[in-house]
Amino acid sequence: AQRVTQPEKLLSVFKGAPVELKCNYSYSGSPELFWYVQYSRQRLQLLLRHISRESIKGFTADLNKGETSFHLKKPFAQEEDSAMYYCALSNQAGTALIFGKGTTLSVSS
Amino acid sequence: KAGVTQTPRYLIKTRGQQVTLSCSPISGHRSVSWYQQTPGQGLQFLFEYFSETQRNKGNFPGRFSGRQFSNSRSEMNVSTLELGDSALYLCASSPGGGALSGNTIYFGEGSWLTVV
Repeated sequence: AQRVTQPEKLLSVFKGAPVELKCNYSYSGSPELFWYVQYSRQRLQLLLRHISRESIKGFTADLNKGETSFHLKKPFAQEEDSAMYYCALSNQAGTALIFGKGTTLSVSS
Repeated sequence: KAGVTQTPRYLIKTRGQQVTLSCSPISGHRSVSWYQQTPGQGLQFLFEYFSETQRNKGNFPGRFSGRQFSNSRSEMNVSTLELGDSALYLCASSPGGGALSGNTIYFGEGSWLTVV
């Protein structure tokens, strides 16, 4: 079964500290993985996808097929990074996203 | 260009009633999908439409239905509402190739449904 697990509901860090939001997945085949972010009172938006291998707002994520993980990382957290982060997996047809339960990141000064 | 637009934004219904939610995708987008967001279950896929055809359906009862019109606008309907249907319903659109083709899926702000 296709499944995405985000083990942490809440992650609290201080400004300037490194951040790692964990995501593990279950999928047979080559997965397409994404991180979505939802800032307070804003709509859900794509942060990054693994196929583009890019860094957005200082965040990166590496697909580790051996560990079936797609953790989101940022070396130095900023207060404006405070938001809800969702890891998502595309189904094989590309017609649906399977989301994890989300992790709230709280960055304080 | 305008983003994904959902109406109404907020509504309150009584148990047993039905509700219709509307979604206007980004201009040129032919794929529309719907998700239910609740505190307990998170974001769950409802269904996806492309060129007026349902291509995929999530694991929801038959009370949840949808359709897409020739202009790509979409509606979803929930009949015989239950208290557990209270949720934020999100509509999303993409050009049509789906996530696998590198298309970005854009989300609307959602329709908040409260069932009392």
